[in-house]
Amino acid sequence: EAGVAQSPRYKIIEKRQSVAFWCNPISGHATLYWYQQILGQGPKLLIQFQNNGVVDDSQLPKDRFSAERLKGVDSTLKIQPAKLEDSAVYLCASSQTTGARTDTQYFGPGTRLTVL
Amino acid sequence: AQSVSQHNHHVILSEAASLELGCNYSYGGTVNLFWYVQYPGQHLQLLLKYFSGDPLVKGIKGFEAEFIKSKFSFNLRKPSVQWSDTAEYFCAVKSAGNTGKLIFGQGTTLQVKP
Repeated sequence: EAGVAQSPRYKIIEKRQSVAFWCNPISGHATLYWYQQILGQGPKLLIQFQNNGVVDDSQLPKDRFSAERLKGVDSTLKIQPAKLEDSAVYLCASSQTTGARTDTQYFGPGTRLTVL
Repeated sequence: AQSVSQHNHHVILSEAASLELGCNYSYGGTVNLFWYVQYPGQHLQLLLKYFSGDPLVKGIKGFEAEFIKSKFSFNLRKPSVQWSDTAEYFCAVKSAGNTGKLIFGQGTTLQVKP
């Protein structure tokens, strides 16, 4: 079974530039998550999709971050404009469903973003 | 707000030593608990999980964790570590009934010396 795919793996940009990340979840997984992991910290949820609808985006900085999952499969996360504090690893995860107690999330390799 | 605390930020052990990594969470209701591991250069992988039943959970590679509800703890253990266990370990909690969001601890870096 193929895992969660993400691209690019690394990205270096200057502040105020824009950047986009792509995620392809495990086939058949209805729920997709984007997490931000700052160096020395655990991952923090940015946004969660159930199929193509947003379930939780309470911690997404909506003035600069946006995400979409138009067809309920792939997803993109965009930052515009980037700030120095956005330097982090952006992780995508997927799970079969949201509500099941036994639901388990599987993570992709992440995109390491450096903002100069 | 829910939170997860991992007491040890950086642990250094020699091979064959025993390991225990602490994890405490703050939530009074039913929880699902997880330990994830991130080996150098690799992505986060599920080590073990607790949903219900026997509070002693066995995971991959000889790891186990014990859920102690009265102490709000879910400590990770391994009787004898190997050099290949060098990695970062994350404890995470998901409260029952929520959207599925995982709350992670800050992680513990384990370095095993050969």
